[in-house]
Amino acid sequence: GESVGLHLPTLSVQEGDNSIINCAYSNSASDYFIWYKQESGKGPQFIIDIRSNMDKRQGQRVTVLLNKTVKHLSLQIAATQPGDSAVYFCAEIADNYGQNFVFGPGTRLSVLP
Amino acid sequence: KAGVTQTPRYLIKTRGQQVTLSCSPISGHRSVSWYQQTPGQGLQFLFEYFSETQRNKGNFPGRFSGRQFSNSRSEMNVSTLELGDSALYLCASSLEQGNQPQHFGDGTRLSIL
Repeated sequence: GESVGLHLPTLSVQEGDNSIINCAYSNSASDYFIWYKQESGKGPQFIIDIRSNMDKRQGQRVTVLLNKTVKHLSLQIAATQPGDSAVYFCAEIADNYGQNFVFGPGTRLSVLP
Repeated sequence: KAGVTQTPRYLIKTRGQQVTLSCSPISGHRSVSWYQQTPGQGLQFLFEYFSETQRNKGNFPGRFSGRQFSNSRSEMNVSTLELGDSALYLCASSLEQGNQPQHFGDGTRLSIL
């Protein structure tokens, strides 16, 4: 499949362990954030979002944490499975009118058997 | 509900040619954004259309253009193709204005020879 990034940071975790993927964002005015998962040969898939008036949001097996003080976002995946292997992107937007998201460089998650 | 559909999936062109890519958004979605994805630059915003009007534009040369039709379907055009235009071009759609999740298609892989 297509390579989405030849020199991405890589996180390797054992199957069943929890994964934490981090993202530093640059714009203190950003008020909406999304985590995406991209598998080889596919487009980014929406995982979870969070608005700036929240610190934490939970989904199914995933939790997003937002620290506005240090402009940091993290994605926690519980009980990581082989199907979680992919590249994960955070995206931020500060424009309430448009939809021009700014994407982070991505992190490759590799799940070890 | 069908997802975002992009055609064609793969395209090979030579330098100097032009190309048109097509995107059909999720039914009911009125905002369509285009992104370029390369290993070196990651995901970069090209432009966004809403109700047939370009609402935002990224930092790309004028060779990159787009349009949106009354049924929300969108096309992007790249003229005078250069080797550096080789990339995965992704289309994303969302419901309305404001901060909304974007849902991506699987992209068109454009290769320039």
